[in-house]
Amino acid sequence: AQTVTQSQPEMSVQEAETVTLSCTYDTSESDYYLFWYKQPPSRQMILVIRQEAYKQQNATENRFSVNFQKAAKSFSLKISDSQLGDAAMYFCAYRSYTGNQFYFGTGTSLTVIP
Amino acid sequence: DSGVTQTPKHLITATGQRVTLRCSPRSGDLSVYWYQQSLDQGLQFLIQYYNGEERAKGNILERFSAQQFPDLHSELNLSSLELGDSALYFCASGPSGSFDNEQFFGPGTRLTVL
Repeated sequence: AQTVTQSQPEMSVQEAETVTLSCTYDTSESDYYLFWYKQPPSRQMILVIRQEAYKQQNATENRFSVNFQKAAKSFSLKISDSQLGDAAMYFCAYRSYTGNQFYFGTGTSLTVIP
Repeated sequence: DSGVTQTPKHLITATGQRVTLRCSPRSGDLSVYWYQQSLDQGLQFLIQYYNGEERAKGNILERFSAQQFPDLHSELNLSSLELGDSALYFCASGPSGSFDNEQFFGPGTRLTVL
């Protein structure tokens, strides 16, 4: 079974600084998708970024980028120029290429300090 | 606004009771996913329906059941409720096809069992 681990329950960052959230996963599949979701205090889940495992290039969305290390099964999220609105719970998720199963990590709560 | 709607927003009930949660997917999405988010277990995938048929099953209890109707809305039925069922229940929808790799989450229904 696939598992997703987020080893940092809480993180904090100074406004305008950079923070990296860690995620590791376990799988025997070669093709799959990885996601980072943001859950702000409003509780709605928002897709931040996704990565296809067959792509070597790391995904980037504005201030958000990932460091995807397939061999190490690591998928970290880097937030640059942190803003107060980035404060939220962040979930890492795994989805198999052919199946419709999603596996989520337990989340990392990010605090942005003004 | 993801386009996914869930009702009710809040639900308070007693142990042993039965409740129904409702979800309307985004226009055009054929897949509906149900998740449970509790403080001690994080985000847990429960079940997925695709175009009216059960597609994937996760950590769903036997006391829980779901269905997707011809108009594609879905209902999650929770019966013989226990205190531990208190959680936030998310519905998400995804685009049609086998390789939809994105889920759009609704705002959630907060269930409190007293």
